[in-house]
Amino acid sequence: EAQVTQNPRYLITVTGKKLTVTCSQNMNHEYMSWYRQDPGLGLRQIYYSMNVEVTDKGDVPEGYKVSRKEKRNFPLILESPSPNQTSLYFCATHSESSYNEQFFGPGTRLTVL
Amino acid sequence: DAKTTQPTSMDCAEGRAANLPCNHSTISGNEYVYWYRQIHSQGPQYIIHGLKNNETNEMASLIITEDRKSSTLILPHATLRDTAVYYCIVRVAGDGKLIFGQGTELSVKP
Repeated sequence: EAQVTQNPRYLITVTGKKLTVTCSQNMNHEYMSWYRQDPGLGLRQIYYSMNVEVTDKGDVPEGYKVSRKEKRNFPLILESPSPNQTSLYFCATHSESSYNEQFFGPGTRLTVL
Repeated sequence: DAKTTQPTSMDCAEGRAANLPCNHSTISGNEYVYWYRQIHSQGPQYIIHGLKNNETNEMASLIITEDRKSSTLILPHATLRDTAVYYCIVRVAGDGKLIFGQGTELSVKP
């Protein structure tokens, strides 16, 4: 079954404590992205990756890092989380050949106190 | 900024067709119209896309006007499970970024 998984699904943490949200896909897709969703602001792209070792900034990259060492994984790293990074985060993937359809993960709800 | 305009909310009776409009008056010739939906805080789900011809799949139909400045997503027989926020997005095929606007909150009522 085609899947995009995210872990953890829920996380409450404190300001400054480094954290990583993992994203993994089993569809062998080249493209992977991270979005955050906030009330009234919709979904905004944080970072995206077109393939292994190729990443680029989206619209709201400040405060985030990503890496793409393997095709299936695209972790989102918050080196020093702040309360304004409290949000609902989604990972998404699509292949080069079926670029029409993006597959989204189930979401990670992050609260930074 | 999102390139589309959608009504904030709509209601539809269960079993009836839901027609969701979208204006995209500045669409370029190489931009497609995509529709996604999001059921309460779940990940968005792809529904359908089109360039200029009308399209139909097992979920919905997409009607695009001849001038391509607007389109309508049709759910032919809405069910309670179709209650969701529906997003109309225009983008160049192959562009990895989806720009989500505010979408239309569709409520399907018994």
